[in-house]
Amino acid sequence: DIVMTQSPDSLAVSLGGRAIINCKSSQSVLYKSNNKDYLAWYQQKPGQPPKLLIYWASTRESGVPDRFSGSGSGTDFTLTISSLQAEDVAAYYCQQYFSVPTTFGQGTKVEI
Amino acid sequence: EVQLVESGGGLVQPGGSLRLSCAASGFRFSDYWMSWVRQAPGKGLEWVASIKQDGYENYHVDSVKGRFTISRDNAKKSLSLQMGSLRAEDTAVYYCARDNLQNQLAPSSFDIWGQGTMVAVSS
Repeated sequence: DIVMTQSPDSLAVSLGGRAIINCKSSQSVLYKSNNKDYLAWYQQKPGQPPKLLIYWASTRESGVPDRFSGSGSGTDFTLTISSLQAEDVAAYYCQQYFSVPTTFGQGTKVEI
Repeated sequence: EVQLVESGGGLVQPGGSLRLSCAASGFRFSDYWMSWVRQAPGKGLEWVASIKQDGYENYHVDSVKGRFTISRDNAKKSLSLQMGSLRAEDTAVYYCARDNLQNQLAPSSFDIWGQGTMVAVSS
């Protein structure tokens, strides 16, 4: 199974500041035949289901604010929130779907 | 409106059984892989099972193999998870989730989630 490791486990960012969350996979999730990274990012607020933010490592889901961006390839990925808003307080998870079982990182809590 | 609504959760004794259901609406159900993902209290997300569009291919996480079975009824736009030999460690909110992309060969990311149904395994 591919192990996904996020860092840090939690971080506090000032309003308007930048939040950077890292995700590392135990093996590459880049599918060379189509040059796509099988990596997604989710946001989960307390008492709510997760919300898809990013897929294919850098493609923003429809309706997601452009302050959220994904980058990286192979085994190392980053979710950046460029200007943190109060409504961005949440837990964030990465997920690989390169192989079954799909696996999630342990989560990163973002606070103000 | 695209929507998933889970039902069937509850309190069950260790060793017991439960059947979860997920009713889909607002999209062509038969075009998508569907999955169950769970979240134990205060913990992270864990994928449980996925089933292909036509129902003929499915996958389960090792910890539930032989105990849980995912199934679907495309005519009724319904997804199910039959859970047996339940253990305390199966206690979690169970989410029904739709694959992000249509007509894929394998499960991928999840763009539509239900609100979840709580399963508590305790004596």
